[in-house]
Amino acid sequence: LAKTTQPISMDSYEGQEVNITCSHNNIATNDYITWYQQFPSQGPRFIIQGYKTKVTNEVASLFIPADRKSSTLSLPRVSLSDTAVYYCLVGDSFSNDYKLSFGAGTTVTVRA
Amino acid sequence: ETGVTQTPRHLVMGMTNKKSLKCEQHLGHNAMYWYKQSAKKPLELMFVYSLEERVENNSVPSRFSPECPNSSHLFLHLHTLQPEDSALYLCASRSSGRAGTDTQYFGPGTRLTVL
Repeated sequence: LAKTTQPISMDSYEGQEVNITCSHNNIATNDYITWYQQFPSQGPRFIIQGYKTKVTNEVASLFIPADRKSSTLSLPRVSLSDTAVYYCLVGDSFSNDYKLSFGAGTTVTVRA
Repeated sequence: ETGVTQTPRHLVMGMTNKKSLKCEQHLGHNAMYWYKQSAKKPLELMFVYSLEERVENNSVPSRFSPECPNSSHLFLHLHTLQPEDSALYLCASRSSGRAGTDTQYFGPGTRLTVL
């Protein structure tokens, strides 16, 4: 499993853009990059997934450089409800015994 | 709602009790997972079932016993637990074997307290 490194915590204010960078230097050719969000006492929730370049959905954008050794999750104009733990994971979705390794994640705190 | 349900949502049990956690998904997924999340700690993968066969057992104590009778249901049988087993137990499912489908759908979890 590719190891990921992301900041432990980040603080922001309402209306700002939050960018969380994740390092995954040993990402494999078949690996996809996936980000999850988790609120206290709830299961993680899928936010976005990508393989290369840029992916955007209604919640966030994911930027992946050409070497794919890192990725950046961008949350536009955050609100108080975006306060959560954000996890970056990489893995080979073709594998039938596919497992994800959740690290400590990044605790994002949005203040008024 | 993610399409994955877990029951019960809360459970308090003594160390000598036997109880079971249930997970159900009707998403057509063929892989199911049990995770444990203790307070302020990362998720720990416990068991993985793919096509109803167990493919992962992360050195979990035998007091935890999983069962996957079909692709839609997953159980975690508990017996003679310890207070340190108190945690949030999360079930997840995914559809394996297709590109870009490593999205896991998590249930709401069962908050377990062992007295």
